[in-house]
Amino acid sequence: GENVEQHPSTLSVQEGDSAVIKCTYSDSASNYFPWYKQELGKGPQLIIDIRSNVGEKKDQRIAVTLNKTAKHFSLHITETQPEDSAVYFCAVLTGGTSYGKLTFGQGTILTVHP
Amino acid sequence: GAVVSQHPSWVICKSGTSVKIECRSLDFQATTMFWYRQFPKQSLMLMATSNEGSKATYEQGVEKDKFLINHASLTLSTLTVTSAHPEDSSFYICSAPAFGGLVAKNIQYFGAGTRLSVL
Repeated sequence: GENVEQHPSTLSVQEGDSAVIKCTYSDSASNYFPWYKQELGKGPQLIIDIRSNVGEKKDQRIAVTLNKTAKHFSLHITETQPEDSAVYFCAVLTGGTSYGKLTFGQGTILTVHP
Repeated sequence: GAVVSQHPSWVICKSGTSVKIECRSLDFQATTMFWYRQFPKQSLMLMATSNEGSKATYEQGVEKDKFLINHASLTLSTLTVTSAHPEDSSFYICSAPAFGGLVAKNIQYFGAGTRLSVL
């Protein structure tokens, strides 16, 4: 099955700095890569996603890049703010159908210090 | 975006009792829903795929008689933890991929989660 590795497990930055989280996956047939933000005691919230026909996608301070050849994708957060502090999960859609399963990375605890 | 409502958000029960958790898609139909379990400081682990009108598909190692799933309509899936024990204490989260309408396919929307504490 699909194997998703996420790094780093923890990331501490100063407010205004950039943060980068990277995920690698194993199944070359995977074609959808979302990123979720989870705050304590809440469900994951989709923040950005990318599909295999696109190399980069940006939404204000958040961007995701995808390298299908190397089978990795990364989340980039610029101008970080304390409210960005949360756990971030990457995921990969497997199963080859519209309703395939999501396999999650291990998560990254991001702390933004004021 | 689409909304998935999960209820209750928190439940405490005695060992041996059963607990039902509801997951509703509020503004879209979901023929498929997913149930996850999350332990503290860990990732989400898929437990089962809930299919409207048919039996759920369970992941390896998940006891289907322990975690009963019913998907009786296009907007509601329920997870019942039967004869709960302290080791079942966890954070349970459902998700639903949107289909049709104004929301994009393949995007899975998550409920807020249910924290189950078994005494």
